[in-house]
Amino acid sequence: AQTVTQSQPEMSVQEAETVTLSCTYDTSESDYYLFWYKQPPSRQMILVIRQEAYKQQNATENRFSVNFQKAAKSFSLKISDSQLGDAAMYFCAYRSYNTDKLIFGTGTRLQVFP
Amino acid sequence: DAGVIQSPRHEVTEMGQEVTLRCKLISGHNSLFWYRQTMMRGLELLIYFNNNVPIDDSGMPEDRFSAKMPNASFSTLKIQPSEPRDSAVYFCASSHSGTDLSGANVLTFGAGSRLTVL
Repeated sequence: AQTVTQSQPEMSVQEAETVTLSCTYDTSESDYYLFWYKQPPSRQMILVIRQEAYKQQNATENRFSVNFQKAAKSFSLKISDSQLGDAAMYFCAYRSYNTDKLIFGTGTRLQVFP
Repeated sequence: DAGVIQSPRHEVTEMGQEVTLRCKLISGHNSLFWYRQTMMRGLELLIYFNNNVPIDDSGMPEDRFSAKMPNASFSTLKIQPSEPRDSAVYFCASSHSGTDLSGANVLTFGAGSRLTVL
């Protein structure tokens, strides 16, 4: 079975600085998707970024980018120019190619200080 | 598009009572997921449907939990009888299930239903 591990329960960053959230996963599959979701205090789960395993190029979405290392089974999220509104829980998630269900990590709480 | 709509947003009930949580999918989506979030266990998939058919219900805790899709756009999650350990936030999510690798199958979540069982 696939598992997702987020080893950082909490992280903090100063406004305008850069922070990297870690995620590792375990799978025997070669085709899959990886996601980062953000959950602010409103508790709404919001998709931040996604990566297809067959793509070597790292996904980017404005200030958010990933470092996808397939051989190492690592999928970290980098937030550049951090803003106060980035404060939230961040969840890494895995999805097999042949199923729609997401497997989530335990989350990392990100605090942003002015 | 109004997104995935869940009701109620909050429910407080007493142990032994029946609880029904409701979810309306995004129009055109054909996959429906129920997740439960607690501090101790994080986000757990309870059950998911594709084209109204339950595909994987291995996460349903026990027989007290049941989920249905009476039509293509609506689902219910019922707990009967409820227990204090069922207290959690229950999320519904939907997606349009495809067979290619385009990534179109992104899950969109509702705002969640916070259940407190006293």
